[in-house]
Amino acid sequence: DAGVIQSPRHEVTEMGQEVTLRCKPISGHDYLFWYRQTMMRGLELLIYFNNNVPIDDSGMPEDRFSAKMPNASFSTLKIQPSEPRDSAVYFCASSSSGRASQKTYEQYFGPGTRLTVT
Amino acid sequence: KQEVTQIPAALSVPEGENLVLNCSFTDSAIYNLQWFRQDPGKGLTSLLLIQSSQREQTSGRLNASLDKSSGRSTLYIAASQPGDSATYLCAVKYDAGNMLTFGGGTRLMVKP
Repeated sequence: DAGVIQSPRHEVTEMGQEVTLRCKPISGHDYLFWYRQTMMRGLELLIYFNNNVPIDDSGMPEDRFSAKMPNASFSTLKIQPSEPRDSAVYFCASSSSGRASQKTYEQYFGPGTRLTVT
Repeated sequence: KQEVTQIPAALSVPEGENLVLNCSFTDSAIYNLQWFRQDPGKGLTSLLLIQSSQREQTSGRLNASLDKSSGRSTLYIAASQPGDSATYLCAVKYDAGNMLTFGGGTRLMVKP
């Protein structure tokens, strides 16, 4: 498997523009997570999905952020309008609930998207 | 509040040393604990996962232990090498919910 795939790897945009980050989870995984990493705050969970349904979005900073998962193999995180304080590395991760006797929920991370908002 | 703490924040050792990285958590109702490695500008690579029912896990030169009663986990790296230089993060999955709570990481530098 190719692992978790994210695009783009780098994004530079001007304040006020819309930004869309994309993620393809590992095939067969039923959980998908979006994280943000900054020097000041470390790794923060933004939102996670189970079977394409958003379960917990309490980490989404504000209404400018939205996430969708239209199918099991694709998710987007959108920021509209973007602001300089949104500059960070955004990670997508996926995990599998597995069989009942082997539930580990081990998370696998993508390479991240480095977002710079000027 | 469920918190995960890693001490020290940074560590520098000469090549060949055995070393221990520490992770502590405030709530003992954990489901599992995962150790990750992150190289500069890269994503997180899962190193070891310990279920709450386990005491330790080993992979090559790495050994992770878990003591739920004291709220601690350690990552032991034997015979450290310059290639081990990276940031090591521990993350706890609690019984409730499926998110991970991350520690702040330990930045390790192994000098040749």
